[in-house]
Amino acid sequence: GQNIDQPTEMTATEGAIVQINCTYQTSGFNGLFWYQQHAGEAPTFLSYNVLDGLEEKGRFSSFLSRSKGYSYLLLKELQMKDSASYLCAVRPTGTASKLTFGTGTRLQVTL
Amino acid sequence: EAQVTQNPRYLITVTGKKLTVTCSQNMNHEYMSWYRQDPGLGLRQIYYSMNVEVTDKGDVPEGYKVSRKEKRNFPLILESPSPNQTSLYFCASREIGETEAFFGQGTRLTVV
Repeated sequence: GQNIDQPTEMTATEGAIVQINCTYQTSGFNGLFWYQQHAGEAPTFLSYNVLDGLEEKGRFSSFLSRSKGYSYLLLKELQMKDSASYLCAVRPTGTASKLTFGTGTRLQVTL
Repeated sequence: EAQVTQNPRYLITVTGKKLTVTCSQNMNHEYMSWYRQDPGLGLRQIYYSMNVEVTDKGDVPEGYKVSRKEKRNFPLILESPSPNQTSLYFCASREIGETEAFFGQGTRLTVV
C-alpha cells in the first residue's frame, strides 16, 4: 500500500521562500506529483518527478529522492495568491492511472 | 476550451435514492478517474478508467459504480447512497504519456 505524509498547515510571509515536504512509503514507485488547490476549487497540476533531483518551473521547484522516499515543493517569492493547499501524490509501479494523494498542506501567505 | 465538466455541481439527496454524477471531457483523453475529497483524508481515488470499457477499482470503490461506454464520458453511479458518501467529488482526465491531469470543478454531494 501507500502512505504519504505532509504537514497539515504552514504559514509564510509574502516575498519569502517556503518548502513543503512530503514523505512516502510505497510498495512500488512510478512518479510523484504536486498539485495546488485553492479553497473550493479543483486541483491544478504543478509538477512531476520520477527521477532524483530538482525540477524547476518558474517560482516553483520540486525535488525528489527515491532512496529516502522524500520530496519537497519549493515556492519562491511568495505571493498572496499562493495561499492554497498543496497536494503530494504518488503513482505506484505497474499502473498508469492510479494515484494516491496525501492529505495536503494548507499554506497561508501573510503580509 | 479544454475542460472536464461535471454535473451537477451541488446535490442534496436522500438515503437509498439512486443517483448519477456525470463527467465529460473534450480533450480525447484515454485516462479518466473519480476521486472523493473529505476533510483530514485528502483526495481518494474511487475508480479509474484507462480507455473505453476498461475500468478498475481505486482505493475506495465500495458503494460506487462507473461505466465507460464512450471515451468522453465517465459517469459515477451511486445505486443506494448513504450518508457516509457525503463528500466533494472530482472527476479527472489525462492523456496517455502525459503527466498532467485535468480536474473538473467538483460535485458537492450531501446524502441525508
